[in-house]
Amino acid sequence: DQQVKQNSPSLSVQEGRISILNCDYTNSMFDYFLWYKKYPAEGPTFLISISSIKDKNEDGRFTVFLNKSAKHLSLHIVPSQPGDSAVYFCAARPIFGNEKLTFGTGTRLTIIP
Amino acid sequence: DTAVSQTPKYLVTQMGNDKSIKCEQNLGHDTMYWYKQDSKKFLKIMFSYNNKELIINETVPNRFSPKSPDKAHLNLHINSLELGDSAVYFCASSRGLKQFFGPGTRLTVL
Repeated sequence: DQQVKQNSPSLSVQEGRISILNCDYTNSMFDYFLWYKKYPAEGPTFLISISSIKDKNEDGRFTVFLNKSAKHLSLHIVPSQPGDSAVYFCAARPIFGNEKLTFGTGTRLTIIP
Repeated sequence: DTAVSQTPKYLVTQMGNDKSIKCEQNLGHDTMYWYKQDSKKFLKIMFSYNNKELIINETVPNRFSPKSPDKAHLNLHINSLELGDSAVYFCASSRGLKQFFGPGTRLTVL
């Protein structure tokens, strides 16, 4: 039973445009969400996070939006750059208690020059 | 100046063998983890240690045994390897809510 879902396995975006990656979750105990970026043959790299007390968090070109009522979050990358081509994983956990991260299956983002 | 390192990066072995993967972090973090990424690219927690004490043990066969000699190291020993153990294994560490991952060890069981 997948508690974190990324329904788009892949996404292609023109360089300079906005990339929007989506993530849905089912477990209402989750109140902290993270996005990781992964290049081939490397480990996931932390990108940005958001707690459930906020609905938006911004860091440079990256913005994460959280809609708690819909149990949905999204990562916006603008403008998209060729170096952004990677697999993006959404992850979730409760802030207190069990520390394990529950991951989605990832979305492969390809930026077209 | 690697923060979370794993050895080896690649491991190819025969069914039935016993093997170990080592993990070290120089971030001063208190908690370390092992995750498995299977052929469907699904990343799933296996174990978590906090200050050398096991705190998370997911439903993992007891052929897998983590060992934490100190706060900076968390090794994974696998007995009687099976074909289904082929995967990429990631070590991670954290202090607080964010987890930082190692580069992964690709294990192939023949």
